[in-house]
Amino acid sequence: AAGVIQSPRHLIKEKRETATLKCYPIPRHDTVYWYQQGPGQDPQFLISFYEKMQSDKGSIPDRFSAQQFSDYHSELNMSSLELGDSALYFCASSSRGRDRPYEQYFGPGTRLTVT
Amino acid sequence: GENVEQHPSTLSVQEGDSAVIKCTYSDSASNYFPWYKQELGKGPQLIIDIRSNVGEKKDQRIAVTLNKTAKHFSLHITETQPEDSAVYFCAATVDLYFGNEKLTFGTGTRLTIIP
Repeated sequence: AAGVIQSPRHLIKEKRETATLKCYPIPRHDTVYWYQQGPGQDPQFLISFYEKMQSDKGSIPDRFSAQQFSDYHSELNMSSLELGDSALYFCASSSRGRDRPYEQYFGPGTRLTVT
Repeated sequence: GENVEQHPSTLSVQEGDSAVIKCTYSDSASNYFPWYKQELGKGPQLIIDIRSNVGEKKDQRIAVTLNKTAKHFSLHITETQPEDSAVYFCAATVDLYFGNEKLTFGTGTRLTIIP
């Protein structure tokens, strides 16, 4: 079965640079979530989109922005990168089914390293 | 906001024995409790979930129980195998309104199966 696709898988940036992470949800999934996972930590919710509209917002820095496009893929844009932004970034997707809340399926993640 | 505590942080079990991981949550409005398995370098994989209208759910060697009164839920793995070794995360979500489905994760349990 098709899974969530994330690109790139690894990204190395310097401080103050920008980065763009991409997420392609499971086909026919209309909701995308972004999570950040620091070393040895649990995933922390950043932001989510449903039908191209922001649906919920968590602890996402103002330096980060995200959007969902007409084909349902999503991009997380990160500017003025800091060393503390080094982490795994996961995208998850879900579809509106019968039972709410809906199952979230995670992608393989993008490992961002800021030097 | 929701707070999820998870115990133990590490667990070593002899192959063939059972493993139990416990989580407690703070928000009585939480109504969906998934469990994720995360292997090294991979994204969290949904292995089982339970909704607040059910007390127990089983899928082959994996079962989850929910006690809404005590606000805790547990993951039970029977007949453990080496491939069960991974980090396990519990999570909870409060489905208060449409689109509000962010997952709050526990801190994770590193399960090691000893051959």
